[in-house]
Amino acid sequence: SQQGEEDPQALSIQEGENATMNCSYKTSINNLQWYRQNSGRGLVHLILIRSNEREKHSGRLRVTLDTSKKSSSLLITASRAADTASYFCATASPGANSKLTFGKGITLSVRP
Amino acid sequence: DTAVSQTPKYLVTQMGNDKSIKCEQNLGHDTMYWYKQDSKKFLKIMFSYNNKELIINETVPNRFSPKSPDKAHLNLHINSLELGDSAVYFCASSRLAGFGDTQYFGPGTRLTVL
Repeated sequence: SQQGEEDPQALSIQEGENATMNCSYKTSINNLQWYRQNSGRGLVHLILIRSNEREKHSGRLRVTLDTSKKSSSLLITASRAADTASYFCATASPGANSKLTFGKGITLSVRP
Repeated sequence: DTAVSQTPKYLVTQMGNDKSIKCEQNLGHDTMYWYKQDSKKFLKIMFSYNNKELIINETVPNRFSPKSPDKAHLNLHINSLELGDSAVYFCASSRLAGFGDTQYFGPGTRLTVL
């Protein structure tokens, strides 16, 4: 069954604004990852946050993780038109043969 | 150099045919995966191989058979194609088999079954 559920399903903002995307999950995790998918392309890894971490930064990206609420958020600051893409959260199950379970994705449109 | 490559990029075929998709990674990773992405962009894992051994086999019809001749290659063969097999298939790789290692995806193969 699906693990990650992103919210909102679609987001449209103006260039320069911040974009916040949320992900909720149901079971315990080893880590949570965010990926970006441009139209017609493969997924690209953005950032990974481990279950014992609360916040992580990478360039204009900031991800938080609240394991008590089983939720994560991805903030993209000062958005650019090139950020237009689908964003997926993926949860990694604990254990040796861990697998990633992806949510349905959020479509982000950044208007120039 | 492309890290994870797939061929072909597009595949259009008739119901009942058999087809293969090939994947190669030049990252030196031990683990490779096949995913299926449906028309609503839902991405679901199908198989995973670690060093040529099958380690994840989700509930996939046995018409789908993965083969890993070496740890840099993972192919997917599909027999008796059905309309519902139409989707984008992604190959991915990761350095480690477990513990949720970062995955690197290929560009995808769009399969259309007519």
